[in-house]
Amino acid sequence: EIVMTQSPATLSVSPGERATLSCRASQSVSSNLAWYQQKPGQAPRLLIYGASTRATGIPARFSGSGSGTEFTLTISSLQSEDFAVYYCQQYNNWPITFGQGTRLEIK
Amino acid sequence: QITLKESGPTLVKPTQTLTLTCTFSGFSLSTSGVGVGWIRQPPGKALEWLALIYWNDDKRYSPSLKSRLTITKDTSKNQVVLTMTNMDPVDTATYYCARVLMVYAILWFDPWGQGTLVTVSS
Repeated sequence: EIVMTQSPATLSVSPGERATLSCRASQSVSSNLAWYQQKPGQAPRLLIYGASTRATGIPARFSGSGSGTEFTLTISSLQSEDFAVYYCQQYNNWPITFGQGTRLEIK
Repeated sequence: QITLKESGPTLVKPTQTLTLTCTFSGFSLSTSGVGVGWIRQPPGKALEWLALIYWNDDKRYSPSLKSRLTITKDTSKNQVVLTMTNMDPVDTATYYCARVLMVYAILWFDPWGQGTLVTVSS
């Protein structure tokens, strides 16, 4: 099973600043990586798939990069609605696995 | 508009079997590359993938839960059913279903249902 490790567990950033979230795979997942955003009491929402392709309706301030074992989700200028928990998910090998999440909080 | 909604019991007793139904609209489970997956989330914890079923009836299960899970589809009713046997309090979680899209070997879940909280307690 591929283990996905996200860092940091919690990230404190001020509105308007840039946030960088990391996801590391225990072995290569090529570009078969997705990012999701989850707000309290809500279901996850797809942000990025294929490591760098924004899902429909996702603002351009969200970007994904990386391949192999190292991935990054960048939010260029944080808006109030961006404070949430973010998960990465790999599909390169079964089983599908998720990271443990990064909580993005207001500084 | 694509929607999915989970339904089933909110409370089950230990050792019982859980049956959850995902009813969806806005897409067809007979379209190539489309599937439906189940993911759960214990309170305050991370997401855990459970199972998925593809348009061609190919099924995949989490190895750690495979012996307890069965996923089926009824294309005519736009429903996917997940059964989990021998429920335990550690299975208490919000259970989500989500549409699966697979394009050029890349797979993702979008969109997700609202989720249903299942509590396992005697």
